[in-house]
Amino acid sequence: GAVVSQHPSWVICKSGTSVKIECRSLDFQATTMFWYRQFPKQSLMLMATSNEGSKATYEQGVEKDKFLINHASLTLSTLTVTSAHPEDSSFYICSARTAGDNEQFFGPGTRLTVL
Amino acid sequence: GNSVTQMEGPVTLSEEAFLTINCTYTATGYPSLFWYVQYPGEGLQLLLKATKADDKGSNKGFEATYRKETTSFHLEKGSVQVSDSAVYFCALNLWAGSYQLTFGKGTKLSVIP
Repeated sequence: GAVVSQHPSWVICKSGTSVKIECRSLDFQATTMFWYRQFPKQSLMLMATSNEGSKATYEQGVEKDKFLINHASLTLSTLTVTSAHPEDSSFYICSARTAGDNEQFFGPGTRLTVL
Repeated sequence: GNSVTQMEGPVTLSEEAFLTINCTYTATGYPSLFWYVQYPGEGLQLLLKATKADDKGSNKGFEATYRKETTSFHLEKGSVQVSDSAVYFCALNLWAGSYQLTFGKGTKLSVIP
C-alpha cells in the first residue's frame, strides 16, 4: 500500500516550452502533496505544499508563476514548469500524505532536461 | 527554525563492515524522525522512523534510536552489503500545518565487495 507514481519518469524539452508532471497516489487519498526539487548530489528542496482543492503554498524563492501546481483531486497533483529554461533541468520528486498520518510517501521522481 | 545535520560523505565500506551515519537535529517541539534511502536514479524510500524519545526504528538490518537528550538519530547496521550502496537522508517533521519534512544533506554510502 501507500504507492505514489509520477509521470513521466523522464522528459526532454526545448527551451521555452512548458512541461507537465503528474503525481498520483494509487491506493490512498492524499490530502496533502509536496513537490521537491533535487539538484545532482544534493538534498531535496521543498518547492511547495498543496492541499486538495486549495492553492499551493510556495516556499520562499520559488516562482509560483513559473511552477504551477494544481491539486484538483485527492489522488492527483500536477506540476507545470512554464517556459522552461536549461536552469530548470533537475530531478523533481513529489510526495503525498493522508489526513491523520505524519508520514510522507514519495514518488519515483521525474528527470527534466531542458535543451 | 528546524534543521538536520548529518555526517558528510561519501562513506566507503567493505562488505560486512559496521555502518554508522550520524544525524543530529534542531527543532522547536517534539519531531518525528526518519531515515530515507535513495538508490541511483530513484525517488526516496522510507527506511525507518521513530515518533518519540527512546523509540527505536528498524528495518532491513538498519536501526536508529531517537535520543532526545542528545538530539540525535544515528543510523547503524551491523553488516553492510553491496546492495546497501545508496544515499541516506535523515529527516524530521513537525506539525506546522502540513507535517513538512526537513532533510539533512544526505550521505552517500558505497559498499565494495
